Amino acid sequence: AQSVAQPEDQVNVAEGNPLTVKCTYSVSGNPYLFWYVQYPNRGLQFLLKYITGDNLVKGSYGFEAEFNKSQTSFHLKKPSALVSDSALYFCAVRDMSYRGSTLGRLYFGRGTQLTVWP
Amino acid sequence: EAQVTQNPRYLITVTGKKLTVTCSQNMNHEYMSWYRQDPGLGLRQIYYSMNVEVTDKGDVPEGYKVSRKEKRNFPLILESPSPNQTSLYFCASSLSSTGNTIYFGEGSWLTVV
Repeated sequence: AQSVAQPEDQVNVAEGNPLTVKCTYSVSGNPYLFWYVQYPNRGLQFLLKYITGDNLVKGSYGFEAEFNKSQTSFHLKKPSALVSDSALYFCAVRDMSYRGSTLGRLYFGRGTQLTVWP
Repeated sequence: EAQVTQNPRYLITVTGKKLTVTCSQNMNHEYMSWYRQDPGLGLRQIYYSMNVEVTDKGDVPEGYKVSRKEKRNFPLILESPSPNQTSLYFCASSLSSTGNTIYFGEGSWLTVV
């Protein structure tokens, strides 16, 4: 079965420092991987995705993520955090397995609350 | 502008009173789905639809119904809401079940008292 794990419920970092939000996944076949951000009382905003190609994916607001097939990880990174980056971050994987009825389903991690201190 | 529109955005209702949350997309997408978000659980799929008149259960379908009579619309129906259905609901769509671009609605905050 497909699954996503975000091992940290919370990540705290000082403004200007680099940040990493971790994500590991388990999928059958090639993964479609996504990162979304949710600001308080708002919907989901797309940050970036990995489908194929370069393992380092660049996305919105200066975020990037590195796909590591051997470690089945897709960690979200930013070289210099801003207070405005404080939000809830979700990693997700799309089921691309043509076996069974779950094709197309998105599996989300439980979310990581990022707090950037000034 | 490509968008997924949900209504209502906020609703407080009472146990047992039927309600419908509408979802509409303007991109001619085939694949649509509903998710609910609960603290500490992330988002979980409730129902999905591969195309018109083709719907199926997701991970947490109990207490919900859906229909897909038109390609653009995918309403979520709570026949007899209960307090454990208090949640934030998201509708999503993509061109197909294997599409790599997924659009989400703004979310519908539902409280059942």
